[in-house]
Amino acid sequence: QEQLVESGGGLVKPGGSLRLSCAASGFSFSSYFMSWIRQAPGKGLECVAHISSVSGSTIKYADSVRGRFTISRDNAKASLYLQMNSLIAEDTAVYYCARGFAPFDSWGQGTLVTVSS
Amino acid sequence: QSALTQPASLSGSPGQSITISCTGTSSDIGGYNYVSWYQQRPGKAPKLIISDVNNRPSGVSSRFSGSKSGNTASLTISGLQAGDEADYYCSSYTSTSSPAVFGGGTKLTVL
Repeated sequence: QEQLVESGGGLVKPGGSLRLSCAASGFSFSSYFMSWIRQAPGKGLECVAHISSVSGSTIKYADSVRGRFTISRDNAKASLYLQMNSLIAEDTAVYYCARGFAPFDSWGQGTLVTVSS
Repeated sequence: QSALTQPASLSGSPGQSITISCTGTSSDIGGYNYVSWYQQRPGKAPKLIISDVNNRPSGVSSRFSGSKSGNTASLTISGLQAGDEADYYCSSYTSTSSPAVFGGGTKLTVL
């Protein structure tokens, strides 16, 4: 059974940085595209980034985070990362790690990021 | 504002069928058969219920079905049950610079 476990969320001041991690197990991690999807409180879903399988050579970002967030992966550790810099209040959300993209067929439980002074 | 348009809310009685629409453009829904649907219960992560327009993952009830016509995709839930009460989101691959697009979500209430 595949499992995705996010970590690294927390409270950060505007302009600060945070690094999210996602530990994958139960499937061949390197074979799958991986994505980060966020959900602001009471709002809908937004895919903020995805990264291709194996080499991770194909990366896409949502306009709202491009230039501030960086997605990466370590296939040897079966882990996905999201480096978030220059955080703003609008980045406050639950961040989910998900396997694949279009469709996202497995999701983690999410980690809450709160940007506030 | 979400890239895909869904009704904000829908309701139905047990046993009825309901259909949730999801409208996009030729750059997403209309151009590709990579439409997926997700069910999200309060406080939980979304769950994939339909992939590639009309495929049900293993374990998903046959009461859930998907379709697409032009730039609009649809999710139909037949034989509505109390347990179907949840938020439903559509998503699609997009040829734009975005990684994927979602609808704003539809809150389904079972009366």
